[in-house]
Amino acid sequence: DARVTQTPRHKVTEMGQEVTMRCQPILGHNTVFWYRQTMMQGLELLAYFRNRAPLDDSGMPKDRFSAEMPDATLATLKIQPSEPRDSAVYFCASGLRNEQFFGPGTRLTVL
Amino acid sequence: AQKITQTQPGMFVQEKEAVTLDCTYDTSDPSYGLFWYKQPSSGEMIFLIYQGSYDQQNATEGRYSLNFQKARKSANLVISASQLGDSAMYFCAISGAGGTSYGKLTFGQGTILTVHP
Repeated sequence: DARVTQTPRHKVTEMGQEVTMRCQPILGHNTVFWYRQTMMQGLELLAYFRNRAPLDDSGMPKDRFSAEMPDATLATLKIQPSEPRDSAVYFCASGLRNEQFFGPGTRLTVL
Repeated sequence: AQKITQTQPGMFVQEKEAVTLDCTYDTSDPSYGLFWYKQPSSGEMIFLIYQGSYDQQNATEGRYSLNFQKARKSANLVISASQLGDSAMYFCAISGAGGTSYGKLTFGQGTILTVHP
């Protein structure tokens, strides 16, 4: 049963530290998305890739966030430096046509 | 820009009964897709059902069906024969179908469904 995997599942860090979240999309999927979920804002799209090329990262704070896809099996989302307001659940999702399958998420807490 | 509105913050249903979760949308894209996801207390996002804007028939997946009324811009989720395991948050979402909008999901605020025994 193919699934999107994300690591780490939980991360607690201190303000100012770098955080890297990793995602392995489902093999064969050509689109990868990063979403953030908070109580206040709900689910928001941060960035997305098609065939490994970044298509849209307008939802991402550019000064501290960066998203990359170094190969077809790995997508990364990096925050440097992290701030308490970055505390959220970060989901990666992948898709091929209409469906979009989500990973289990990374719960990030920035103290 | 695309927008999803879910007007029901919470819904209650008796086990084995059917329930409808409301979703209305707004988009300027001529072609789009509508999705429903379930998020149980464990936090995972589970894909339930998809409806394309040009699909002639309403989508169905097991106990889930999507009541798509294009003129009213509504895409309600119907869950038949509710089970205790259906208790969760349900999100409606819309995606564009062309260019850089393709696949990008815009979510509603969600509806918490509680199934009573």
